[in-house]
Amino acid sequence: EAEVAQSPRYKITEKSQAVAFWCDPISGHATLYWYRQILGQGPELLVQFQDESVVDDSQLPKDRFSAERLKGVDSTLKIQPAELGDSAMYLCASRVAGDTDTQYFGPGTRLTVL
Amino acid sequence: RKEVEQDPGPFNVPEGATVAFNCTYSNSASQSFFWYRQDCRKEPKLLMSVYSSGNEDGRFTAQLNRASQYISLLIRDSKLSDSATYLCVVNRAGRRALTFGSGTRLQVQP
Repeated sequence: EAEVAQSPRYKITEKSQAVAFWCDPISGHATLYWYRQILGQGPELLVQFQDESVVDDSQLPKDRFSAERLKGVDSTLKIQPAELGDSAMYLCASRVAGDTDTQYFGPGTRLTVL
Repeated sequence: RKEVEQDPGPFNVPEGATVAFNCTYSNSASQSFFWYRQDCRKEPKLLMSVYSSGNEDGRFTAQLNRASQYISLLIRDSKLSDSATYLCVVNRAGRRALTFGSGTRLQVQP
């Protein structure tokens, strides 16, 4: 069964450092999402890509977060500089093209900022 | 007010019990509805879509009430393995994006 891949699975960093997360969606899935999930809350959308284009980044803190999907396949989410409040699970999801809203999630990257 | 609201629980039930979760959503233009299941420190996984006519998948039954803007999930004959957080999810009208509730935690006890 095809899966969304993410790496690393865990990341510990100190505040003010830069971190980067990688996501490879299910093959053929044109839409890719990055979510942040704080403990005890549901996932919140950070950015949505359609192929290589950003569709929605209204909730992305652009002063420190950036995301790219240069070739419309895999994607990178970067935080620079990391802050204590960025500690969370960062989830990537993808959606097949067509008339469906169903999304499939990767295992996530758990970030701890010290 | 949150777009999707759920009772956080926890719901503690014995094995074999029937348990029901509700959630409400604020955007009347939403068209797609789901329940996702999330185990501790794992990613959310699709449990089932929710259709206007109601739908059933084994021990799980989902209902949608568009007039009242609420969604329900009924679990019959609870198993220990049903212990998880259940996320109520609706689409963002006009966009292929989802809004998640904060989840309802279920603990099934032996």
